[in-house]
Amino acid sequence: DGGITQSPKYLFRKEGQNVTLSCEQNLNHDAMYWYRQDPGQGLRLIYYSQIVNDFQKGDIAEGYSVSREKKESFPLTVTSAQKNPTAFYLCASSPDAGMNTEAFFGQGTRLTVV
Amino acid sequence: QQQVKQSPQSLIVQKGGISIINCAYENTAFDYFPWYQQFPGKGPALLIAIRPDVSEKKEGRFTISFNKSAKQFSLHIMDSQPGDSATYFCAASKGGATNKLIFGTGTLLAVQP
Repeated sequence: DGGITQSPKYLFRKEGQNVTLSCEQNLNHDAMYWYRQDPGQGLRLIYYSQIVNDFQKGDIAEGYSVSREKKESFPLTVTSAQKNPTAFYLCASSPDAGMNTEAFFGQGTRLTVV
Repeated sequence: QQQVKQSPQSLIVQKGGISIINCAYENTAFDYFPWYQQFPGKGPALLIAIRPDVSEKKEGRFTISFNKSAKQFSLHIMDSQPGDSATYFCAASKGGATNKLIFGTGTLLAVQP
């Protein structure tokens, strides 16, 4: 089946630890994105990548890092520098980052800092 | 100027009724207005989208109404069904690029049987 796979679905992290969220797509899409979703707020863009080996900061990139070594993979690392990491994280992809290209979302990873 | 204001925060509608969710924007450069539907524990999915060259777009029971002069757009769900119960997000962008989307805060819709 084609789609976007995020893993794990639930993740618990101790304060001060880095953690990496996985995102894989088999849609052959060039562009991939990471969003953060908090209760009562809309989706906020963390990072995006339009092509392999290139990525750009979104609106709330501080405390996060990404890599794009393969077209199908766009992992997100939540570092200890992120002050409030507990949230629902969504990965998405689109054919490209241009006009009117629908974004397809994964099912999300819920990160909880304990 | 980059905000998209969405209301109401939550909405309860009886089965068969009309659900109406409203959004307002300030940036007149926005020219792409999609609506996303999100079920609990799932990622959002594109429901319907409109560009400002039309005032209304209909797909099945879902209609977007667009008022360019008022800088407002709304989602109407006709004959609402319990299966429509979800969170709905409006969004806006300039040029339609996904990385430029500004999302509203979401509306939690509950359709009672």
